[in-house]
Amino acid sequence: KNEVEQSPQNLTAQEGEFITINCSYSVGISALHWLQQHPGGGIVSLFMLSSGKKKHGRLIATINIQEKHSSLHITASHPRDSAVYICAVCNNNDMRFGAGTRLTVKP
Amino acid sequence: DVKVTQSSRYLVKRTGEKVFLECVQDMDHENMFWYRQDPGLGLRLIYFSYDVKMKEKGDIPEGYSVSREKKERFSLILESASTNQTSMYLCASTAPFFNGSEKLFFGSGTQLSVL
Repeated sequence: KNEVEQSPQNLTAQEGEFITINCSYSVGISALHWLQQHPGGGIVSLFMLSSGKKKHGRLIATINIQEKHSSLHITASHPRDSAVYICAVCNNNDMRFGAGTRLTVKP
Repeated sequence: DVKVTQSSRYLVKRTGEKVFLECVQDMDHENMFWYRQDPGLGLRLIYFSYDVKMKEKGDIPEGYSVSREKKERFSLILESASTNQTSMYLCASTAPFFNGSEKLFFGSGTQLSVL
C-alpha cells in the first residue's frame, strides 16, 4: 500500500464545475504540498500547508492532521485547469508523493 | 524569478551509453533531489543531496550515481543506460525542511528514451 493515496486517479469535468481531489497519507508529516503538473512535465508548487486551510484564487486546500487527509478544491473550473495534481507529504527531508490525479476540464 | 534548470528537455540514448543529466538552481538551496516519474507510479526518489559533496540514496538508486561538486549543480549519471531507465527525470531543490514550510522548486523535466 502506498504511503500517499490520491483519489480519484482520473477526473473529467465540465467547465464551471466544482472539483475535489483527495489525498490520504499513513505517515507522520511536518507539511503537505499540492503540486500541479501541466503536459510537458514542469511541476509548480500550488500550496504547502501543515494545518487548516489555504486559498489562492479559485483554489482551496484543506488538511485534517488527525484524519491524515487533505483535499484540493477548484471552484468554477476552467479548461486551463487541466493538469495532473500531485499530493506530496514531507517529514524533515523525506518527501513522499501520490501517483497524481489527472484532471480534464471540458469546455 | 527563482529557477531550477535541467540541461535537456528530451534525450534519446542507446543501451549501454553513459548518460549525464544536469540540474542547476539559482536559489542557493542546500537540498537537491533527483526523481523519476513513471505512469501510475508517481515520483520516486533516486538520490538526494543536502550539501556539496554529500549524497544519500533514495528509494531506487540502482543503476544511477550522482555528483554535487558545487552547491548550485546536481548531476545524475546513468553509468550504462538500459531500456528500463526510459522515464521522465525531474530535479527539485529546496531550503532545509526545518518545519516543512519551504516551497519545492522543480525543473521542467528531461524525458529520456533509451533504445
